[in-house]
Amino acid sequence: QVQLQQWGAGLLKPSETLSLTCAVYGGSFSAYYWTWIRQPPGEGLEWIGEILHSGSTNYNPSLQSRVSVSVDPSKNQFSLRLASVTAADTAFYYCARRPNYYDSSGYPIGFDIWGQGTMVTVSS
Amino acid sequence: DIQMTQSPSSLSASVGDRVTITCRASQGISNYLAWYQQKPGKVPKLLIYAASTLQSGVSSRFSGSGSGTDFTLTISRLQPEDVATYYCQKCDSAPPYTFGQGTKVDIK
Repeated sequence: QVQLQQWGAGLLKPSETLSLTCAVYGGSFSAYYWTWIRQPPGEGLEWIGEILHSGSTNYNPSLQSRVSVSVDPSKNQFSLRLASVTAADTAFYYCARRPNYYDSSGYPIGFDIWGQGTMVTVSS
Repeated sequence: DIQMTQSPSSLSASVGDRVTITCRASQGISNYLAWYQQKPGKVPKLLIYAASTLQSGVSSRFSGSGSGTDFTLTISRLQPEDVATYYCQKCDSAPPYTFGQGTKVDIK
């Protein structure tokens, strides 16, 4: 049973850097994109970015100037850093995995396993 | 970037009703579309990918259809445990992987 367990600081001041880490327990680490998604309270989901075990990344253009996702394959962990946070960055942050392969019919699968979520509040 | 628009934003239906949610992409995305269910206070759960493929373990009351720009999620017989917000998401290989704004489903 694959599990994602995430942790990080839950309360930040404006201009600080958000830092979260997600550990992967069980399953392959190399066969997936490891992803961060966020959700402001009462609002919808926003894809932040993703990384492969090789270190190859993709980011949401709306956040690209402030976001960095890194990976430590030796620990089966990946991390999110978001710089210069403001109140608009207050949200639940989720880690998730996206298979780097297609199903038997040749289609991408989506985000199939999610972490438990971390609420991050930005307030002075 | 491709935008995903869901309708309605919320709906209320009776137990046993057939419920339909639509999702429209601003550009064609073939059938590279996923649907997620997020129950109140819970983590999103993948229901369907490739527009119509049911994720393992998901109830057969859920079905998806569509291709190109227009997609549909159908709950055949609404149950109390289906109360949730449902999101569509483009899942081709071209980021950003945008979500729709969500459709909140509750029981009348």
